[in-house]
Amino acid sequence: EADIYQTPRYLVIGTGKKITLECSQTMGHDKMYWYQQDPGMELHLIHYSYGVNSTEKGDLSSESTVSRIRTEHFPLTLESARPSHTSQYLCASSGLAGDAEYEQYFGPGTRLTVT
Amino acid sequence: GQSLEQPSEVTAVEGAIVQINCTYQTSGFYGLSWYQQHDGGAPTFLSYNALDGLEETGRFSSFLSRSDSYGYLLLQELQMKDSASYFCAVNSGGYQKVTFGTGTKLQVIP
Repeated sequence: EADIYQTPRYLVIGTGKKITLECSQTMGHDKMYWYQQDPGMELHLIHYSYGVNSTEKGDLSSESTVSRIRTEHFPLTLESARPSHTSQYLCASSGLAGDAEYEQYFGPGTRLTVT
Repeated sequence: GQSLEQPSEVTAVEGAIVQINCTYQTSGFYGLSWYQQHDGGAPTFLSYNALDGLEETGRFSSFLSRSDSYGYLLLQELQMKDSASYFCAVNSGGYQKVTFGTGTKLQVIP
């Protein structure tokens, strides 16, 4: 059973606030990802990590930052939220090299609204 | 960079067969994946093709032609619960970064 958790599930916050979206997985996966997805639209990769202390920016320019201090934890931080950040944020993870590497497991997502 | 193209919408009748195509442009290609996403839900993995040919998993099959940079997802014996968005995704580059397509919204009608 794939276990990847995201909190909060829903968040409404005012402009200018700092927020951290949490993501944890219990599968021991090395790779973790953050995607941004608007309703009915494609997933945009905003950050990814291949292991502890490894983080990279994705294809979509983002004003967020991430950290990977522990294998199981990959939080996403917005220093100053803006209405343009309103979206759904999906966290995913995948396994080590080999056949399972390509299969991503997704968390339930955080639906963020910035007013 | 990478780019993937899929039809935006497909409608099919319950019990029928539907094919969702995906063409891609990428460097350092490793494989093509397919994901299903119901409205309000998270994507779930369906299949992966690294080599040319057809992979079958129950009612779903996926095909890849590396020389044509083309793949498709085939859904047989369609059920109402198959109504969802379907995304193709390429694994590419030294660390097999994943890039998703724009998604195809499948509507199954009675």
